[in-house]
Amino acid sequence: EVQLVESGGGLVQPGGSLRLSCAGSGFTFSDHYMDWVRQAPGKGLEWVGRIRDRANSYSTEYVASVKGRFTVSRDDSKNSLYLQMNNLKTEDTAVYYCAGRFCTGGSCYGGHFWGQGVLVTVSS
Amino acid sequence: DIQMTQSPSSLSASIGDRVTITCRASQDITNHLAWYQQKPGEAPKSLIYDASDLQSGVPLRFSGSRSGTDFTLTISSLQPEDFATYYCQQHHAYPLTFGGGTKMEIK
Repeated sequence: EVQLVESGGGLVQPGGSLRLSCAGSGFTFSDHYMDWVRQAPGKGLEWVGRIRDRANSYSTEYVASVKGRFTVSRDDSKNSLYLQMNNLKTEDTAVYYCAGRFCTGGSCYGGHFWGQGVLVTVSS
Repeated sequence: DIQMTQSPSSLSASIGDRVTITCRASQDITNHLAWYQQKPGEAPKSLIYDASDLQSGVPLRFSGSRSGTDFTLTISSLQPEDFATYYCQQHHAYPLTFGGGTKMEIK
């Protein structure tokens, strides 16, 4: 069974840092582009960032609002994805989801599969 | 950034109804569009990818189509488990962007 499990969420003060993890199982993690998507309370979905695979040098992309503050990384040997969040702001409060999609040779196939999400609350 | 304009934002429908949800992209995204279903307290679930390809395991009553920069999600006969919020997402250019969502409720 394909599974993604996020962890590391919690309450943090503005200006603080938090590192989220996402553990994958049931699929070849290294063959997948991995995304972080967030959802503020009562709001819609917002894509946060992406990391490509080894063949694409683990290159990353970010939404402008988190660029320079958030870093997406991965450890394929541990089937794990990470989101390092620094200088957190109250508007970063959201449920954070990891999601994966199979990509190879510059093309992607099939749809995304998602983790269950983890809540990050930024408040003093 | 590519804007995804999703309509309607809410929809009341009855069991057995045929319903359509539309997303319009602010520029050409070819067929790089996905549709997701989200129920309260749950993660999104992939329904359609590449505008019209049905995700494995998704019922055949769901379908997607494209006409230029307009994309449509159709549910041919609404079932009780289909009442949820639906989102489109373009994956043609960064930043990837979602539509605002369509909340489907029982009439």
